[in-house]
Amino acid sequence: GESVGLHLPTLSVQEGDNSIINCAYSNSASDYFIWYKQESGKGPQFIIDIRSNMDKRQGQRVTVLLNKTVKHLSLQIAATQPGDSAVYFCAENISTGRRALTFGSGTRLQVQP
Amino acid sequence: DTGVSQDPRHKITKRGQNVTFRCDPISEHNRLYWYRQTLGQGPEFLTYFQNEAQLEKSRLLSDRFSAERPKGSFSTLEIQRTEQGDSAMYLCASSSPPRRRNTGELFFGEGSRLTVL
Repeated sequence: GESVGLHLPTLSVQEGDNSIINCAYSNSASDYFIWYKQESGKGPQFIIDIRSNMDKRQGQRVTVLLNKTVKHLSLQIAATQPGDSAVYFCAENISTGRRALTFGSGTRLQVQP
Repeated sequence: DTGVSQDPRHKITKRGQNVTFRCDPISEHNRLYWYRQTLGQGPEFLTYFQNEAQLEKSRLLSDRFSAERPKGSFSTLEIQRTEQGDSAMYLCASSSPPRRRNTGELFFGEGSRLTVL
């Protein structure tokens, strides 16, 4: 079946560096994408989203890039902080039908002080 | 705090016992979702309610699982005759009705962790 996946299970960066977390999706019908952050023992927390009619969206210290040609999504975190250490999930949604997100398996971001 | 709340946060049970989890969504949200998450994996969709109607169930939701949302507000997820493979975090999420600027974002609770011995 079609799924959302991530390239790297663990990413380790130095505090202050920029982080890039990648995600590949296979369902060309997906038209909405979200990045979630999940800290240990907590539920996923919304970071940023993007619709398929956009290729870039910026938030506070975060940027999401969408390349529909190669079905690739990335999350860029500027000036990574220790508080950014968590597991990051991308999720996809198809506007038609149910609005239940399909999640990938996640990337763990470790920020070294 | 008016976020999604789940109860209990942790449940340890013996194989074969029944367990029930409760979810209270954000009050104005009419959509409610249950997900299951195992260690190192992303959340997996189980079922979805719009108001009191259960609109979709994943194939992961075996006949030992039942979810209800009788009044369109809180929801319960019951697992009968628990098995060790049911050990996971059960996450509840809610979302608001589609609006022009609706993003489709799901708001998650902190989850109910189930350990089946």
